[in-house]
Amino acid sequence: SQTIHQWPATLVQPVGSPLSLECTVEGTSNPNLYWYRQAAGRGLQLLFYSVGIGQISSEVPQNLSASRPQDRQFILSSKKLLLSDSGFYLCAWSVLGTSGRGDEQFFGPGTRLTVL
Amino acid sequence: AQSVTQPDIHITVSEGASLELRCNYSYGATPYLFWYVQSPGQGLQLLLKYFSGDTLVQGIKGFEAEFKRSQSSFNLRKPSVHWSDAAEYFCAVGVRGYQKVTFGTGTKLQVIP
Repeated sequence: SQTIHQWPATLVQPVGSPLSLECTVEGTSNPNLYWYRQAAGRGLQLLFYSVGIGQISSEVPQNLSASRPQDRQFILSSKKLLLSDSGFYLCAWSVLGTSGRGDEQFFGPGTRLTVL
Repeated sequence: AQSVTQPDIHITVSEGASLELRCNYSYGATPYLFWYVQSPGQGLQLLLKYFSGDTLVQGIKGFEAEFKRSQSSFNLRKPSVHWSDAAEYFCAVGVRGYQKVTFGTGTKLQVIP
């Protein structure tokens, strides 16, 4: 069966410090990978998605970046955190289906980031 | 581009009462539709999904949803709510062959005894 891991679970960082959040998926190959940020009352904001190694699409211009160094690894980074980067970060994966079926996304447990 | 609206930010129901959470989407063709549930501090779990065929979809935990093309709606229902159903619920819309999914802003459900 497939599983998705995110770490750390919680993180408190000072403004201006760097960030690295990691997401890994097990039990599937060549998944689509996604990073979302969730703020209260604003639903899920898609930050980045990737359809393959080294292929990153950015949805929202900001001081965050993403990388996919391996097929099942997705990393969210920042060189200098802002207060506005605080939030709950969720990683998700999906696999394009067959016969025209859409695909649900499977979510990790999330990382709570607080920037002080 | 597709969009989804969840008009109710917060809903309170009594345990044992029926539940309906509203979801309206905007998309020119038939979309893929999803309902997810999120417990506090957790990731999202898929409750049910609609791709095609029968417009009444059964999901986990006793939930169901009905796709109504004429109303552009995909409302989530449960005949009898349990205290453990208290959570936030997200409706989402996807497009055939398109990797991204658009989520609504969520409805927070409170269950009172």
